[in-house]
Amino acid sequence: EAQVTQNPRYLITVTGKKLTVTCSQNMNHEYMSWYRQDPGLGLRQIYYSMNVEVTDKGDVPEGYKVSRKEKRNFPLILESPSPNQTSLYFCASSPALLPNQPQHFGDGTRLSIL
Amino acid sequence: GDSVTQMEGPVTLSEEAFLTINCTYTATGYPSLFWYVQYPGEGLQLLLKATKADDKGSNKGFEATYRKETTSFHLEKGSVQVSDSAVYFCALSDQTDSWGKFQFGAGTQVVVTP
Repeated sequence: EAQVTQNPRYLITVTGKKLTVTCSQNMNHEYMSWYRQDPGLGLRQIYYSMNVEVTDKGDVPEGYKVSRKEKRNFPLILESPSPNQTSLYFCASSPALLPNQPQHFGDGTRLSIL
Repeated sequence: GDSVTQMEGPVTLSEEAFLTINCTYTATGYPSLFWYVQYPGEGLQLLLKATKADDKGSNKGFEATYRKETTSFHLEKGSVQVSDSAVYFCALSDQTDSWGKFQFGAGTQVVVTP
């Protein structure tokens, strides 16, 4: 089954403790992206990747890191999490960045930073 | 920069009522426009898209027309069902200006009652 898999689905942690949210897709997609969803703000793009070893900042990259060493994986790293990073996070992928290609989304990761 | 504005919710309707969700955008180039739907506890799914002016996207009884003159992409459905209860997001991708970046609206919650 074609899917985007995020782990963990839920995480409660404390300020300053490094964490990684993994994202993996089994569709051989070139494009992958991370978003955070906050009430009243919709989805805001954190980072995106056009292909292996190619990443770029979205609108809210501060406090986050990403890497794209393999096509299928695009982990999101919070080196020193803070409470304002408490949010619902989504990973998405698409076969190529063309206007007629939809993004496939994972089911989300809910992070709570205390 | 590019942005998307959509009407606030929640929108509460009775089954078989007509649904309209307004979406307007600002973009420097020639964006592609999308509507995504999010059911409770799930990631976003593409509902429909339009890639150039005057295109009409349609899917599952939903329609939206890309209106460049009014910079709008309003979502409509003639007769809603309880199963249409979800959060709807308008989004744009301005391929000519910010390759790889996506902008989402804040989302509109729709509640359909029997």
